[in-house]
Amino acid sequence: GIQVEQSPPDLILQEGANSTLRCNFSDSVNNLQWFHQNPWGQLINLFYIPSGTKQNGRLSATTVATERYSLLYISSSQTTDSGVYFCAVDSGGGADGLTFGKGTHLIIQP
Amino acid sequence: NAGVTQTPKFRILKIGQSMTLQCTQDMNHNYMYWYRQDPGMGLKLIYYSVGAGITDKGEVPNGYNVSRSTTEDFPLRLELAAPSQTSVYFCASSVRGGSGTLNTGELFFGEGSRLTVL
Repeated sequence: GIQVEQSPPDLILQEGANSTLRCNFSDSVNNLQWFHQNPWGQLINLFYIPSGTKQNGRLSATTVATERYSLLYISSSQTTDSGVYFCAVDSGGGADGLTFGKGTHLIIQP
Repeated sequence: NAGVTQTPKFRILKIGQSMTLQCTQDMNHNYMYWYRQDPGMGLKLIYYSVGAGITDKGEVPNGYNVSRSTTEDFPLRLELAAPSQTSVYFCASSVRGGSGTLNTGELFFGEGSRLTVL
C-alpha cells in the first residue's frame, strides 16, 4: 500500500516562531488531508489539499502532487498550536480510507 | 448539526468481555470508518462501509465486527476483548462518489473512545 512519511517527528519552538512540516508519500493520491490532534485527543481537519495551495489564517498548506509531497506552514506559533499534526492520503486503490503518517509532535513553549 | 458522535468516551473492560462502540453521523455521508490509534502512532483502519448494508475490512480487522443497517449508524463490536485492543478508537465519515463537487472524500472524525482492556 501507499507509504506516508512525516518529518520532523518532533519539533519544539518558542511562541512566535514559524515552522514547516513535511509529508512525503509514495504514490499518486486523490485525497490528502492535514489534521491537528490537540492535547485532548480530538482530531481537527485543517486542510483538504490533494494539490495546490490553501491558506487559513496563520496556517497554509501546499501539495506538489507530481513530486509526491505536501508542506504545512505555521506562522507566528501560539501555545494552542501544540499537539500532533498528521498527514493522511488516499491513493484510490485497494481498501478505502485514508492512510496516516506517524505525525509530527509540535510543542510551542511560551 | 452534531457531526460524528461516538459513545462511550471511556471504557474499561476485562479480558474476554465484549462490548459495542456506537457511532452515528447526521451529515448524510455514505462512507463511514473505524480507526484505532495506539500511543505514538498514526491511525490504522479497522473496517469501513460504503453505504448501508455494505462493509469491508481495513488494515487491522481481527477481533472486531461491524454492521451498517442505516446510513447514520456504524457500530463496532469487540468480541472476547484482549489487552492488544487497548487503544483509542475513532469513527469517521465522508461523502464520496457521484458528481457533486463536495464529494471529495474529506474525512470528519468523532471525538474518540478510549478503551482499556485489563
